[in-house]
Parts: sequence; structure tokens; C-alpha cells
Amino acid sequence: DVKVTQSSRYLVKRTGEKVFLECVQDMDHENMFWYRQDPGLGLRLIYFSYDVKMKEKGDIPEGYSVSREKKERFSLILESASTNQTSMYLCASSPTLDRGLYEQYFGPGTRLTVT
Amino acid sequence: SQQGEEDPQALSIQEGENATMNCSYKTSINNLQWYRQNSGRGLVHLILIRSNEREKHSGRLRVTLDTSKKSSSLLITASRAADTASYFCATLGSGSRLTFGEGTQLTVNP
Repeated sequence: DVKVTQSSRYLVKRTGEKVFLECVQDMDHENMFWYRQDPGLGLRLIYFSYDVKMKEKGDIPEGYSVSREKKERFSLILESASTNQTSMYLCASSPTLDRGLYEQYFGPGTRLTVT
Repeated sequence: SQQGEEDPQALSIQEGENATMNCSYKTSINNLQWYRQNSGRGLVHLILIRSNEREKHSGRLRVTLDTSKKSSSLLITASRAADTASYFCATLGSGSRLTFGEGTQLTVNP
């Protein structure tokens, strides 16, 4: 089974702190994604990556950056955390189109609270 | 932008009844997928239907797709309390990005 793990289930940070959220997948998937999920807004894509060292902005990249130095690991960085970044953060991975149909595999989520 | 829109937003039924959720979308798609999310957890892929398919079954799940109406439905038959969760549709257009709807919260009462 595909396994996607996230470094923390719950995280509390202070305004202005630099925050790192880590995601690791064990299925050699090329594609990895970071979403945030808020009540009434569904899942919104922050950033995604097609390959190592490649990244693409999603719908709401402002205030975030990402890093993908290794194929299995995709990090989301909040450069200076703000209270409006309090949310559930979900990481996902998927294989390329010729090996799958972009079915995504999700981690358990990190609930981040910024105070 | 949220392409998929689920209807209803919330659904409450009794165990053993069928649950139907609908999804509408706006642009052309390669496939449409349904996911389930238990409270406070990540999403789990349930079923995928390609744009050239009209109906697909998986266990107690039945998905239909009407590309002319840009809509899909998910039917869960003989529901169980364990089916209580949020259900999301997601559409794949060009590229590898999925666009998710806001979800339907299903409650199955024992």
C-alpha cells in the first residue's frame, strides 16, 4: 500500500515563526501536492511538484514556499506564520499519467494553529 | 478555483438506506474521482470514472458520469454507520492537478 506520512498531526506556532511541514511518500511517485483545507472552502492547492527540484504554484501560494530535494520528500514552508494560516494541511502524491490516472494518495494531515 | 460542487452539502440517513451525492463541474475533464474523508483525517480515494465512461461500480459504490450535463453522482447502497464521512468529488483536466469540490457531509444513523 502507498503510504504518505506527514511530520506532525498537530502543531502550534507563534505569529512570525518559520514553520516547516514535511511530507514523505514511499511509492516513488513523481507528483506531490500540498493543500490546505478550511471549512466552507474545501481543498485548495498551495503548491505542487512534478519532479525533484521542480515546483509549480497552485491557487493560493502567497505566504508559502516549497522544497523538493529528494523524490520522496516534499516540504511546505511558511516563511513567517500568520494567524490566517491556521488550517489543516494535507499532502498528497500521485504517479504520472502513463502509470495511473492521477489518483492521489493523501497523508493524515497536519492541523496547524498559529497564535 | 473550485470546479466541483457537491450537492447536498449535508445528508443524514438511517443505516441500510441508500445515499446519493451529486457533483457538478464547469470545464472539460479527463476523469472524475470521488474521495472520502473521515473526521480530521486525510482523504482516501474511492473510485475513478474516465470521461468516456458512463457508469462504474465498486462494491457498494456506484458512480455515474454525464459529460453533456457536466455532472456525476455517487450512490452508496445499504449504508452503514461506518460510511459516515465527508465525500468529495475531484476533476482532472489537463496536467496532473485535481480540482476538489467542497464536499458532502454524510451522516449514517445506526
